[in-house]
Amino acid sequence: AQKITQTQPGMFVQEKEAVTLDCTYDTSDPSYGLFWYKQPSSGEMIFLIYQGSYDQQNATEGRYSLNFQKARKSANLVISASQLGDSAMYFCAMSHSFTGNQFYFGTGTSLTVIP
Amino acid sequence: DGGITQSPKYLFRKEGQNVTLSCEQNLNHDAMYWYRQDPGQGLRLIYYSQIVNDFQKGDIAEGYSVSREKKESFPLTVTSAQKNPTAFYLCASSTGGQGARSEQFFGPGTRLTVL
Repeated sequence: AQKITQTQPGMFVQEKEAVTLDCTYDTSDPSYGLFWYKQPSSGEMIFLIYQGSYDQQNATEGRYSLNFQKARKSANLVISASQLGDSAMYFCAMSHSFTGNQFYFGTGTSLTVIP
Repeated sequence: DGGITQSPKYLFRKEGQNVTLSCEQNLNHDAMYWYRQDPGQGLRLIYYSQIVNDFQKGDIAEGYSVSREKKESFPLTVTSAQKNPTAFYLCASSTGGQGARSEQFFGPGTRLTVL
């Protein structure tokens, strides 16, 4: 069974510092995708970054980067230079080639940026 | 602007009543999804549809029904058979097709409260 695990229910970071949000996954499919979404208090889900299982390089999108360690089955999100607006819930998700676009979500990590 | 709309934003229902949540997209996406989110939890898949006039059950389909008569619309009915319907409901869409790379785009959500 496919599974996403986020072990940090809540995290705090000082403004302008970097923070790492953990995500581990379990799958037997060699072709999969890993996604990170941000959910502010308004409830909308905002796509942040994607990493494919065959991608050789770690994905980066502005202040977001994904630390992809395939052998360890981890896909941690790194946010650099944290801003107050980064305070939100963050969800890791996985999709597989054989399930089309069905996503499996973790339980999320609540990030609070402290001024 | 292209996007996904969900209405209403807040919905109150008496026990024993059916209620229908609206989801419309103008992204020309083939695939659409309904998720349920409970406080402090991740997203759980209710139903998904990869093509018009076809849909599949997700992990928690009991007590829910859907239809997909038009590409841009995927309404969700919460029936009286759903034991605990109070939750936040999110609709999403994606380009669909095979392969793991296809992020899902989300609507703003509907918060359903059963009185």
